[in-house]
Parts: sequence; structure tokens; C-alpha cells
Amino acid sequence: DADVTQTPRNRITKTGKRIMLECSQTKGHDRMYWYRQDPGLGLRLIYYSFDVKDINKGEISDGYSVSRQAQAKFSLSLESAIPNQTALYFCATRDRGSSPLHFGNGTRLTVT
Amino acid sequence: AQKVTQAQTEISVVEKEDVTLDCVYETRDTTYYLFWYKQPPSGELVFLIRRNSFDEQNEISGRYSWNFQKSTSSFNFTITASQVVDSAVYFCALSEAYTGNQFYFGTGTSLTVIP
Repeated sequence: DADVTQTPRNRITKTGKRIMLECSQTKGHDRMYWYRQDPGLGLRLIYYSFDVKDINKGEISDGYSVSRQAQAKFSLSLESAIPNQTALYFCATRDRGSSPLHFGNGTRLTVT
Repeated sequence: AQKVTQAQTEISVVEKEDVTLDCVYETRDTTYYLFWYKQPPSGELVFLIRRNSFDEQNEISGRYSWNFQKSTSSFNFTITASQVVDSAVYFCALSEAYTGNQFYFGTGTSLTVIP
């Protein structure tokens, strides 16, 4: 089983709908992240959380919200989806200090 | 300003050729970490290597090697005798201690190895 699991893997939704992307991890890491990948733009940070009570905005948080339900779960919500939120979304975890990010397999979201 | 620059957007090589992927970073911190990730066509992001700012030794792992030069703020990645399975997008990333170890990613280099 994957250490970082994202659901769903693919989602097509309509403009204006609310959608939630879920992430769970078995690595025991405190730090969890949501990134968005767009062609030619690399990975951009949406939100991150250092523990259940510590949630921080990244560089592109507008239009998104998150919930850290437990150490192992970090969900990303789009309150009212719009077409320019069509992208590949990644959840990641990280141990403390200088350790690398460990990514889930991604959720491909299409907003029509 | 972009903290990590990968100027090569796309590279194509013929199988068995060597290829170097460039990464230039910008930081004022004295303690920082550099990373490379691979994203194959299947889409997952695979961690390849981490280097800290105090260790400029080059590293070799099989056909992969990394050249870290603080003098030019570069952390380049060379694949020797490339194979079709090396076809992927490769991302370089920087993590700085003073920003709470936030990650900054380059825009990626798409490598195609032609059989």
C-alpha cells in the first residue's frame, strides 16, 4: 500500500460545484502539504500544515480551503470550482528538518 | 524572483547519449538543501537525491550523477548512457532553513529519450 494515498485519482466536475480532495498517510509525519501542478509552472504550494492545529496558506491559497482532521489526514476543498482550477493536485508529507517531500500519486481534476 | 531556475524546458536525446539537466538556485541562507525529483509519464513524483549546503561532494548513483557547485549556485544532474525509461519530467527544488524549510520548485525539464 502507498504511504501517501490520494482520493480520488481523477475527477471531473462542473463550475460552481464544491469538491473535496482527500489525502491520508501512514508515514507518521507531522507535516503535510497540498501542491498544484500546471504545465510549465512546476509545483505551487496551496496550503501546508505542520500539525493538526497549525495550518498555513501557501502562495496560491485563494479559492481553496483545507482541513487537517488528524495527523494522518489532510483534505483540500474547492468551495466553488472554476475552470482555471483544472490541474494535477498533489498531497505530500515530510518529516522534520531537511527531509524530502513524499508525494501521493496525484489527483487529476478537471472543471468544466 | 524565481528561487530555482531550470532553463531547459524540453530536451531530446538519442538512447545511450549522456545528458545534463541544469538547475540554478538563489538563496541568502547559509543552510539549505537541494533536491531532484523525477516525474515519469505515469505522473507520480519520485525523490532522487538530497544535498545539503555544507556538502559539495559530487554524488554518483549508477548512471545518475549530481554536480553541486556553490560558486555558481548550481546543482546539475547528469544521466549517463540514457535509456528510454529515463524519459520523464525532472524537477529541481530548494529548501531553506530560515523559511521553515519550505520547498521551492523549478518549472521542470521534460526529457525525452528516443530509442
